[in-house]
Amino acid sequence: NAGVTQTPKFQVLKTGQSMTLQCAQDMNHNSMYWYRQDPGMGLRLIYYSASEGTTDKGEVPNGYNVSRLNKREFSLRLESAAPSQTSVYFCASSSSPGQGAGQPQHFGDGTRLSIL
Amino acid sequence: QKEVEQDPGPLSVPEGAIVSLNCTYSNSAFQYFMWYRQYSRKGPELLMYTYSSGNKEDGRFTAQVDKSSKYISLFIRDSQPSDSATYLCAMILNSGGYQKVTFGTGTKLQVIP
Repeated sequence: NAGVTQTPKFQVLKTGQSMTLQCAQDMNHNSMYWYRQDPGMGLRLIYYSASEGTTDKGEVPNGYNVSRLNKREFSLRLESAAPSQTSVYFCASSSSPGQGAGQPQHFGDGTRLSIL
Repeated sequence: QKEVEQDPGPLSVPEGAIVSLNCTYSNSAFQYFMWYRQYSRKGPELLMYTYSSGNKEDGRFTAQVDKSSKYISLFIRDSQPSDSATYLCAMILNSGGYQKVTFGTGTKLQVIP
C-alpha cells in the first residue's frame, strides 16, 4: 500500500537550475498539496489542488509552479532555483472537504532539496 | 502571534513515562484537530483525528480537546523508545468546501531506554 509517493528523495541543484518534483497518490483522493518544511517554521503550504483541473496558491507560492497532471499526480516545478528554496518538500493528499467535514491529509516521505 | 503555538522541546523522558504534548491556538473557528508523528527523514504520519471537545483514545494514545480554552493535548502512556519522534499538531478550518490546515511547528520527543 504505497499511499503518497514522491520522487526524487534527494536532489542538489545549482542556483538558476530548474527541476520538477513528482508526486503520485493511490488513495483516490481528489485534493493534493505541496508543502515545504523548514526548521522553526513548520509546514508551509506552497500550492494546492482541490480537484483535478484546479490549482491555487498557498502561503508561499513565489518561485514555484504546479501541474495537476491527472487525479493521481501533482508536480511542483522550480523554474530558477535559489538558495532560499533549500528545504524539505512534502506532498500530501486528502479526500475533498465536503460541507462541514474536515479531511485529514496524508503525506509522502519528502524530497530533500539543496540549492548551492 | 502565530495561530497555533507548540513548544519545540526537546522533551526527554524515561521509558514507561506518561508524556503530555500540547498546543494552543487563537482562532476559535478551527473545527477539526489532528496529531501527526514524524520520524527523522520521514513524512508526517496521521496519529489522531478528532472534531469535538473531550477525549479520544487509541491504544496508548489519548487526544484531548478543550475548545473553550483553545487548547489540545496528546497523552502517550507507557512511552517506548519507538515513540521518539517529532509530534505535530494540526487544525482544520472549513469554509464552504475549502479547508485551511494550520500546523504547529512540532515538539521533538526522546524516550530514553
